[in-house]
Amino acid sequence: DVKVTQSSRYLVKRTGEKVFLECVQDMDHENMFWYRQDPGLGLRLIYFSYDVKMKEKGDIPEGYSVSREKKERFSLILESASTNQTSMYLCASTPWGSNYGYTFGSGTRLTVV
Amino acid sequence: QQQVKQSPQSLIVQKGGISIINCAYENTAFDYFPWYQQFPGKGPALLIAIRPDVSEKKEGRFTISFNKSAKQFSLHIMDSQPGDSATYFCAASRGGGKLIFGQGTELSVKP
Repeated sequence: DVKVTQSSRYLVKRTGEKVFLECVQDMDHENMFWYRQDPGLGLRLIYFSYDVKMKEKGDIPEGYSVSREKKERFSLILESASTNQTSMYLCASTPWGSNYGYTFGSGTRLTVV
Repeated sequence: QQQVKQSPQSLIVQKGGISIINCAYENTAFDYFPWYQQFPGKGPALLIAIRPDVSEKKEGRFTISFNKSAKQFSLHIMDSQPGDSATYFCAASRGGGKLIFGQGTELSVKP
């Protein structure tokens, strides 16, 4: 069964901390995405990547950065966590040239206190 | 113009009833309209999708209706079951590009 695995299910971090959210996929997909999910706002795209070492800003990149050193791994970085970054974070992947069927991870619930 | 607007935000339906969730879009270049289903503690999963060259697509109890002139599409769940209780997201994309998601609808089917 193909998988997108997010390293942590729940995280609690302090304001100002640097936070790393990890995502690994085993499907050899080129495209990877980071979304945040908030009630009433749906899924909002933070960053995406179409290839190793490639990254593009999504709709809400402020306060975030990403890293993709290997094809299977896409990391989301909160440089200095703030309380308004408390959210559910979802990683997804698709094959190159096809964004028709995203495979999502189960999400990381991040709380910043 | 890139937005997809989804309604209602929450929906309660009796078992056996019909659940209807609506989405509207502005960008006429969108050419792919999927629906995703998300159970608690899980990521969203593709449920059903449609392209604008057809007006309806049915898969089991799930049907997408598409109205190109009105720039609207909807998900109908026939004979709704408690196991259908989940959050549903509509989405749209253009030319295989990244998906734009709606705001989500939390469906609760009461026994």
